[in-house]
Amino acid sequence: AQKVTQAQTEISVVEKEDVTLDCVYETRDTTYYLFWYKQPPSGELVFLIRRNSFDEQNEISGRYSWNFQKSTSSFNFTITASQVVDSAVYFCAMKTSYDKVIFGPGTSLSVIP
Amino acid sequence: EAGVVQSPRYKIIEKKQPVAFWCNPISGHNTLYWYRQNLGQGPELLIRYENEEAVDDSQLPKDRFSAERLKGVDSTLKIQPAELGDSAVYLCASSLDQSRARNTEAFFGQGTRLTVV
Repeated sequence: AQKVTQAQTEISVVEKEDVTLDCVYETRDTTYYLFWYKQPPSGELVFLIRRNSFDEQNEISGRYSWNFQKSTSSFNFTITASQVVDSAVYFCAMKTSYDKVIFGPGTSLSVIP
Repeated sequence: EAGVVQSPRYKIIEKKQPVAFWCNPISGHNTLYWYRQNLGQGPELLIRYENEEAVDDSQLPKDRFSAERLKGVDSTLKIQPAELGDSAVYLCASSLDQSRARNTEAFFGQGTRLTVV
């Protein structure tokens, strides 16, 4: 089965707190790609990061960091020192061998000033 | 560079009426996707085009939904007749040629919010 799970439906944090969004994926493919997208209230999905299954190196981009662990089939996303502008719905997604992109249900993040 | 453009942004129609959505992908992107996003859920693929060919339409409800991308550039998605359950956001996305670079990400438009009453 191909599946992406984001167990956290909604998260609220106070500004400047760190927050981690969880993503667990399920696939039997050996080659696959993982993505994170942000969907602000305007509705447009904004691409944040892509990872392929052969690259487990973690990545940091400013206040954003991603932790990819194949052993636990997880691709978690951490925002450090959160800001109000980070409030959005965040989607984890996976592309498998059939080029089908499967999205998780999303995590709604509210950053309170 | 212009992103993916969709129109209209919002549409309200009565059930059993037809409706059409339009999408213009990013210039040079051969792959075009239509997704449907229900409230509180992630997007679900309806159809994927490589140029003008629909290579994956397995999730498209073909009894009432149709799509076309005649010249391999812009695309329209049609629903006829619309049902109450079709109320959702319809998202268009595009990416570089999937057959050449499978790891490319998709870029999304702002979507069309459809309300069927």
